[in-house]
Amino acid sequence: DAKTTQPTSMDCAEGRAANLPCNHSTISGNEYVYWYRQIHSQGPQYIIHGLKNNETNEMASLIITEDRKSSTLILPHATLRDTAVYYCIVRVVSNYQLIWGAGTKLIIKP
Amino acid sequence: DGGITQSPKYLFRKEGQNVTLSCEQNLNHDAMYWYRQDPGQGLRLIYYSQIVNDFQKGDIAEGYSVSREKKESFPLTVTSAQKNPTAFYLCATQNRVRTGELFFGEGSRLTVL
Repeated sequence: DAKTTQPTSMDCAEGRAANLPCNHSTISGNEYVYWYRQIHSQGPQYIIHGLKNNETNEMASLIITEDRKSSTLILPHATLRDTAVYYCIVRVVSNYQLIWGAGTKLIIKP
Repeated sequence: DGGITQSPKYLFRKEGQNVTLSCEQNLNHDAMYWYRQDPGQGLRLIYYSQIVNDFQKGDIAEGYSVSREKKESFPLTVTSAQKNPTAFYLCATQNRVRTGELFFGEGSRLTVL
C-alpha cells in the first residue's frame, strides 16, 4: 500500500470547518483512501473512504484531487468532541496489512 | 448490541508471565486483527485472521500468539518472549463484503511491572 503524509498537528476553532490534508503521491489506481480518527485511549473510528469521486456522509466530506495524489477530509462544523488524532490510509480493499502513520492531531478550540 | 468486546481494559503483569487478551465480536465479520499502539505512534499489525482456523503474522508477531477456533473470538497471548510488552492493544474486525472498513474494540492497556 502507498504511504501517506499528514501534518503532525492542527488547530481549528469550534464551529468552523476543519480541513485535514493528506498526501499520497504514490497511490495506485485500485487503492482507496480511508480516514479514521482516534479519540484519546479509545479504538479508532471509521469516518469515510473514497476511490476517485468526492464523498460525503453524516460525519464528514472527502475531497480527492483529480490526480488522486492528495485528499482533504472536511469536518464541516467542528465541535470540541472532534478533538482526536486523524489517520489517512490508502489501501487495496483486499489487502489486510495497512500502514498506519502517526496521523494528525486535531485540536478544536472554544 | 452489535460490536467488539475487548477484555480486560487494563491489565498489569509481572515480567516473565504470559497474559491473554480477549476479543469477541458479534458482527459476523470474517476477518479479525490485532494491533499494538505505543504512545504517539500509529498502529502496528501483530496478527490477522481471514477465516476460522487460519491466521497470519503481521509486522511484529514475535513474542505473541493467537488462535481462531471460532468466528466470534480471536484471543491474543502476550508471551514472556515479548521484550517490551507494555502497550495499548487493539482488536479489529473487517466487513469485507461491503466497503472494507475496520471496526475497532475499545482496547486493552497492558502494563508490565
